[in-house]
Formats: sequence, C-alpha cells, structure tokens
Amino acid sequence: GAVVSQHPSWVICKSGTSVKIECRSLDFQATTMFWYRQFPKQSLMLMATSNEGSKATYEQGVEKDKFLINHASLTLSTLTVTSAHPEDSSFYICSARKIGTSSYNEQFFGPGTRLTVL
Amino acid sequence: SQQGEEDPQALSIQEGENATMNCSYKTSINNLQWYRQNSGRGLVHLILIRSNEREKHSGRLRVTLDTSKKSSSLLITASRAADTASYFCATANAGGTSYGKLTFGQGTILTVHP
Repeated sequence: GAVVSQHPSWVICKSGTSVKIECRSLDFQATTMFWYRQFPKQSLMLMATSNEGSKATYEQGVEKDKFLINHASLTLSTLTVTSAHPEDSSFYICSARKIGTSSYNEQFFGPGTRLTVL
Repeated sequence: SQQGEEDPQALSIQEGENATMNCSYKTSINNLQWYRQNSGRGLVHLILIRSNEREKHSGRLRVTLDTSKKSSSLLITASRAADTASYFCATANAGGTSYGKLTFGQGTILTVHP
C-alpha cells in the first residue's frame, strides 16, 4: 500500500490564530511531499514542495511566512497557517512521492484537512 | 486557458452507460495522470500514461493520449453508481523549473444514477 494520513481532518479556528496540519506517510518513506489547497468545486493548486531536510519551495504567490512548512523526517511534513484569516479557509491536501522513485511517478494523497477560519 | 482543462465540467449518466472525459494541456509533458476524488476527500490515483504511450487500460478504465493534439481522454465503461466522483487529469511536466510537479485540470464531476 501507500497510505498518507492527515491530521486533523477538520479544524475551526478564530481569526489571528495559527493552525498546524500534519501529513504522514504511514507505510513508506517520502523525500518529497507536496501541499495543495482546493476551494469548493475547484481544482487543486500546488502551494509548495516540501523536501526532507531542506527548505520548502513555494509556488509563485504563496507567502512562505504565512504558510510555514517543515519536513523533519522521511514520513512527516507539517504545514502551519500563521495568523489565519477567513480567506485562508479552504481544503488543504498533502501528497507524497515514494523515496527512490522517479520524480515523474504518481503521488499518493492524504484525505485532506478542512480549515475554517471564523 | 490553463494547463489541464477538462470537459465536460459535469456529466450525468445512467448506470451501465459509458462515461468519457477529456483533458487538454499546453506544455510538453513526461506523463499524464488521472485521479478520482470523492466529495470532501483526498485523491486516488487511477492511471498514468507516459508521453510515448497512446493507450492504456486498467479494469474498466481506458485512457488515450494524443501528444500531437495535447489531449487525453478517460473512458469508464459500464459505469456504476459508486463511480460518482470528480475526476481530474494532471500533467507531469517534462522538465525545467516544473520538474516532477503536477498541474491539475479543473475536473469533471461525474454523476452515475442507479
């Protein structure tokens, strides 16, 4: 298998607070994990690429100081939404690519985290 | 237009019918992948077709790729109510700064009525 989990599955927070989302590969190691966000009835937009042991690479338009990514091990990446605002409310999905596989191989996705900022 | 446009945006069919979804893209690709997403859930990888392949099958799924037209199609045969979901194509760019990244299409919402 290739199972990716996310925690929490949903979170409601007040404006101005920070929220941490975890992404874990449960039965494989992943040097690269990806973070996406998805608005209702829309497609996935890549936010950043997370590499174990190095700084994340952010897509154009994504504020790295607002969306902090840490990839401390081969099975865990975290996304922290700092000083969250209502416009940050979205569905955040992570994915992982198996270690040792081509960069062109498929990604394995987590179940997503629904963030609602009041 | 954006990379990975899909049509139709929504498709409604009866159980047993076939469903065809199309995807177009703009840049050179290494491969094209199709994913399925049930409402409010993560994505499940369905099939990957490489740029040097023209057709691929997996169970009730058939994918074609026409690199000259920069388009792909996903055919689901003998559809079931459980196939109801959103389907996304995603392209893996051939190189450059987008190496290995996936660019997703807008998706097709498929509804299969029992």
